[in-house]
Amino acid sequence: DAEITQSPRHKITETGRQVTLACHQTWNHNNMFWYRQDLGHGLRLIHYSYGVQDTNKGEVSDGYSVSRSNTEDLPLTLESAASSQTSVYFCASKSGSGTDTQYFGPGTRLTVL
Amino acid sequence: GENVEQHPSTLSVQEGDSAVIKCTYSDSASNYFPWYKQELGKGPQLIIDIRSNVGEKKDQRIAVTLNKTAKHFSLHITETQPEDSAVYFCAASYGSSNTGKLIFGQGTTLQVKP
Repeated sequence: DAEITQSPRHKITETGRQVTLACHQTWNHNNMFWYRQDLGHGLRLIHYSYGVQDTNKGEVSDGYSVSRSNTEDLPLTLESAASSQTSVYFCASKSGSGTDTQYFGPGTRLTVL
Repeated sequence: GENVEQHPSTLSVQEGDSAVIKCTYSDSASNYFPWYKQELGKGPQLIIDIRSNVGEKKDQRIAVTLNKTAKHFSLHITETQPEDSAVYFCAASYGSSNTGKLIFGQGTTLQVKP
């Protein structure tokens, strides 16, 4: 069955370190999204991509970057982790046309000490 | 900027009762309104959605209503069951058409007591 996976599921890191969270989908979806989830804020969009080599900033993009070298993967990189980036991160994907439904991965819980 | 307000933040009902969660949005151009259910330790899962050209949509015990004039939409769950206990998020599309960008409400924790 097609799916969307994230790794690692849990990560503890130190302030200032670079961290990369992986997202992989097997639906062949063109559109992929990264969100962070914090109490009281729901889910907020960090970055998104509409296809290979396309990346765009969302509403809370400072301190994060993404790259899209193939259809299946959209890794999220924290260039220099800060305690304010402690959160649960979700990746989602959506077909480029014909449907609005976004499918979410299981999430990565990141703790920055 | 775009905003979605969701109420209540917590909701406790007895099994068999109905539950209603309400959201308001700010962007009059929003045309797609999904509702997601999130169980503990899992990612959000779409349970129902509605587009702006429809006022109401039902799927078994779940219904969503949309009032575009007032810019609010609601989730109705009838005959609640303990397995309905979860966090529910509303969302509204924003940006140009078909961007897929969503802005989410703050979430409602629903507890269904047996």
